[in-house]
Amino acid sequence: QSVLTQPPSVSGAPGQRVTISCTGSSSNIGSGYYVHWYQQLPGTAPKLLIYSATNRPSGVPDRFSGSRSGTSASLAITSLQAEDEADYYCQSYDSSLGVVFGGGTKLTVL
Amino acid sequence: QVLLVESGGGLVKPGGSLTLSCAASGFTFTDYYMSWIRQTPGKGLECVSYMDSSGSAIYYAESVKGRFTISRDNARRSLYLRMNSLRAEDTAVYFCAIFSSQNWFDPWGQGTLVTVSS
Repeated sequence: QSVLTQPPSVSGAPGQRVTISCTGSSSNIGSGYYVHWYQQLPGTAPKLLIYSATNRPSGVPDRFSGSRSGTSASLAITSLQAEDEADYYCQSYDSSLGVVFGGGTKLTVL
Repeated sequence: QVLLVESGGGLVKPGGSLTLSCAASGFTFTDYYMSWIRQTPGKGLECVSYMDSSGSAIYYAESVKGRFTISRDNARRSLYLRMNSLRAEDTAVYFCAIFSSQNWFDPWGQGTLVTVSS
């Protein structure tokens, strides 16, 4: 059971918009600790996708965006493409537990 | 460009030991905290350990405290993870990564697989 809760899977057709939620608590996201998102393509290492809730590293398309509200955060992907099919993880910091990850969400492009 | 290359994984019996290495290039190694993260199919991603450049700030996950030791050789631009008293539940792919001051990991190495089995 991960400290940050993500849906196990989401899906969408090419061109659609999908969102992935990341639910924490008052000891992590709710305390104002930054949320970060990673994309893991099959057979590769995770790659930083969004940092500090809303920022994209250079090279990440603006189809990817992040938001945070209260004890939760979300990753939105617009204009879904086949190459977006991957696992997505959220990560934050917890005042008791240290660095914490979500359990991951598998995105299927239909 | 920044490159992190892990090595040292393999098959080890329960109770055995293994040392992982991570060779870094393309950035000023001493400017950054470095970390080890592992990934298992069952438990997902777990931050195992991280340390600052001088060794004065070190973190271990509770699951490995007392069994694993993180270290670095700044002259060799290398990060290490000494793993003792290995258990089946330590079986995972181990990644090294730069750990930023704002608590994100970027970039990651390609990972090295550790299998603990008799």
